[in-house]
Amino acid sequence: DAGVTQSPTHLIKTRGQQVTLRCSPKSGHDTVSWYQQALGQGPQFIFQYYEEEERQRGNFPDRFSGHQFPNYSSELNVNALLLGDSALYLCASSPRNLLGGELFFGEGSRLTVL
Amino acid sequence: SQQGEEDPQALSIQEGENATMNCSYKTSINNLQWYRQNSGRGLVHLILIRSNEREKHSGRLRVTLDTSKKSSSLLITASRAADTASYFCALRNTGGFKTIFGAGTRLFVKA
Repeated sequence: DAGVTQSPTHLIKTRGQQVTLRCSPKSGHDTVSWYQQALGQGPQFIFQYYEEEERQRGNFPDRFSGHQFPNYSSELNVNALLLGDSALYLCASSPRNLLGGELFFGEGSRLTVL
Repeated sequence: SQQGEEDPQALSIQEGENATMNCSYKTSINNLQWYRQNSGRGLVHLILIRSNEREKHSGRLRVTLDTSKKSSSLLITASRAADTASYFCALRNTGGFKTIFGAGTRLFVKA
């Protein structure tokens, strides 16, 4: 049973460029959440997708957008990259559970913006 | 702030000692979770405690929750060098969908 997979694992971009990160959730999970983790900090919630809709969003600008596909996989897009966007981007999946539950994380995509 | 705040920020102990990390929060929660992260890797779920529970155990882990004080603690007994990692508390607020993480406690266990 494959866990959460993310791609790419590492990438380098320059300021102003755009990036797309991809996530495949754990088998049987239909909810995907994205987090940004700067070095030495805790993960910051970007948004959550469920049934191909953005269900909740954190305090991130519109440059951050996402998508969820019918097979529950998801993409995170960041436009007009800034140096401060350099971080580890983590995808987490969970089964639909309004009462909450554990998140299963991928190994992340390390983005460096030069 | 919706997120939990861990204390201490960093902790260094000898192998075999116990490690205690604390998490305080300000909102009403549905549950509180603890996660572990090895350097630069993804997070791994350790334990979840619901708002109507006071204590849970899992192997060498013991978690307590005091909703009146809005605080939780994670105890790792008989620590090992392999326990060296960052530990995060995470909150699921009542009526919300998102899980919010604190800044973490960095634990270093010396062999």
